[in-house]
Amino acid sequence: DGGITQSPKYLFRKEGQNVTLSCEQNLNHDAMYWYRQDPGQGLRLIYYSQIVNDFQKGDIAEGYSVSREKKESFPLTVTSAQKNPTAFYLCASSTWAAHGNTIYFGEGSWLTVV
Amino acid sequence: GDSVTQMEGPVTLSEEAFLTINCTYTATGYPSLFWYVQYPGEGLQLLLKATKADDKGSNKGFEATYRKETTSFHLEKGSVQVSDSAVYFCALSDFWANSGGSNYKLTFGKGTLLTVNP
Repeated sequence: DGGITQSPKYLFRKEGQNVTLSCEQNLNHDAMYWYRQDPGQGLRLIYYSQIVNDFQKGDIAEGYSVSREKKESFPLTVTSAQKNPTAFYLCASSTWAAHGNTIYFGEGSWLTVV
Repeated sequence: GDSVTQMEGPVTLSEEAFLTINCTYTATGYPSLFWYVQYPGEGLQLLLKATKADDKGSNKGFEATYRKETTSFHLEKGSVQVSDSAVYFCALSDFWANSGGSNYKLTFGKGTLLTVNP
């Protein structure tokens, strides 16, 4: 089945550690995105990528890094510089960035700092 | 900048009741409008969308009409079911550019929790 796979579903991080969240899609989509969701809040864009080997910062990129070496993969690293990383992280993709195109989401990853 | 305002929840209804969740938006361009639904512990699923004024999106008994004159995209369903219990997000997609590049970006409302009781 086509879709977006995020792993792990749950992740615990000690303060000062970097962690990487995986996102893989087999939808042949060009554009991929990372969003952060906090309780009672909407989603906020962290990074997006329109093509391989290219990505841009979203609204809250500080303390995060990404790579896009393959079309199917868009991993997100939460670095120790991110002061409040505990949140629900959602990866998404779309055919390309255009008016009206639907963005599809993965199941999400819960990150907790302990 | 772009923004989406939706009614605050939680909303609690009895099964077969009528549902309205209000959504209004502010956009600098000419956005597309979406409703997404999130079931507990899961990602977001597209519920419906509309890409131009007066378009009506519909799916699974839910409807919303793109009203440019009132900048609104209210979600309605005539008879809700227990299985409709979820968080509903209104969102807009608009052209967005900063120093790093440009894209069509989704801007979300804060979400409305709906609980339907049997």
